Amino acid sequence: ETGVTQTPRHLVMGMTNKKSLKCEQHLGHNAMYWYKQSAKKPLELMFVYSLEERVENNSVPSRFSPECPNSSHLFLHLHTLQPEDSALYLCASSQVFSATYYEQYFGPGTRLTVT
Amino acid sequence: GQQVMQIPQYQHVQEGEDFTTYCNSSTTLSNIQWYKQRPGGHPVFLIQLVKSGEVKKQKRLTFQFGEAKKNSSLHITATQTTDVGTYFCAGRQVGGSRLTFGEGTQLTVNP
Repeated sequence: ETGVTQTPRHLVMGMTNKKSLKCEQHLGHNAMYWYKQSAKKPLELMFVYSLEERVENNSVPSRFSPECPNSSHLFLHLHTLQPEDSALYLCASSQVFSATYYEQYFGPGTRLTVT
Repeated sequence: GQQVMQIPQYQHVQEGEDFTTYCNSSTTLSNIQWYKQRPGGHPVFLIQLVKSGEVKKQKRLTFQFGEAKKNSSLHITATQTTDVGTYFCAGRQVGGSRLTFGEGTQLTVNP
């Protein structure tokens, strides 16, 4: 499946580094999402963009900064992370955010390790 | 806020045995979706249920939506090793826009 791509697939960074995760969707969707998936925890919704406008920000620490320059691209900028931020970061897209019946398409994820 | 709970958290079965995972919401849902995540993979959409009491089948998988639209189940008949993975339900509260995921049920199948 190549509908939603994410780079890099794996990232190891120190707590003082700055890095960015990139997501691109080739499905013509209008909504994009960032999720955090940690071991033994449910998928945690971090940010939602609809038509390039941020519509949800779920109490995510400011060391995570999203950016959506257009409806096909989504970034997650990372700086001064903590070891507990180590997780799988998943990007997803859906046709529309507010409509009820559209499923989400996930990218392969970026496995982030903070040392 | 809306909560979606899944049980069991883990299930180990012998190949050929049946498997069921249950999903319960604290609020009435407009629809429920099911996703499967293979080990090392990402969630992949399986199906969506919308109507009260709806039942849908995909080969050996049977999905049900409760009459009150607050619960759902996924049943797999005669599991195979290819069924291994984590199954997530995700529901939208009536009038809401956010899709809330359950914690998932991790299925392992012993050959």
